[in-house]
Amino acid sequence: AQSVSQHNHHVILSEAASLELGCNYSYGGTVNLFWYVQYPGQHLQLLLKYFSGDPLVKGIKGFEAEFIKSKFSFNLRKPSVQWSDTAEYFCAASNFGNEKLTFGTGTRLTIIP
Amino acid sequence: DGGITQSPKYLFRKEGQNVTLSCEQNLNHDAMYWYRQDPGQGLRLIYYSQIVNDFQKGDIAEGYSVSREKKESFPLTVTSAQKNPTAFYLCASRGLELAKNIQYFGAGTRLSVL
Repeated sequence: AQSVSQHNHHVILSEAASLELGCNYSYGGTVNLFWYVQYPGQHLQLLLKYFSGDPLVKGIKGFEAEFIKSKFSFNLRKPSVQWSDTAEYFCAASNFGNEKLTFGTGTRLTIIP
Repeated sequence: DGGITQSPKYLFRKEGQNVTLSCEQNLNHDAMYWYRQDPGQGLRLIYYSQIVNDFQKGDIAEGYSVSREKKESFPLTVTSAQKNPTAFYLCASRGLELAKNIQYFGAGTRLSVL
């Protein structure tokens, strides 16, 4: 079965620390990969996406993610986090041309000022 | 202002009662989705609709029903058969390219049982 795994359930960092959130997927074929963010009290919004091409993708607010096909991973990174990055982060995947988007269980990120 | 509007923001259900959650979009998207979000479980797909008058069950459809009579609207009914309805419900619509499957979300409805 297709699945997305996020092993970090809650991450606590100090401001200016570097961030890496793990995401692994189990999909065959061509896969679309996404990171969504849910700030407290706000809509779930798209942070970045990968469809094809350069495996290093850049998103909003200084986030980036790297697609490593051999590891079935799509980890999210940010070199220096800010207090405003406190949110819940969801990795998601779908097969190319498939309606269904599968989400990971989410990672709650808390940034300490 | 383009987007997805969900109402109400908070909803309370009594035992044995059906309740309907509203989702409206003005993005001219064909496909719409309903997800349920529970703490520690991420988002799980309840139902989705690719076109008016058509919809398919997602992974956790039992105890829910939907309709799609208009392109803009995709209401979700939580029936009395859903024994654990307390959750945060998110509606989404998909951009025009199915191949990319970029979904846009509403602000959600939080449903609680009295």
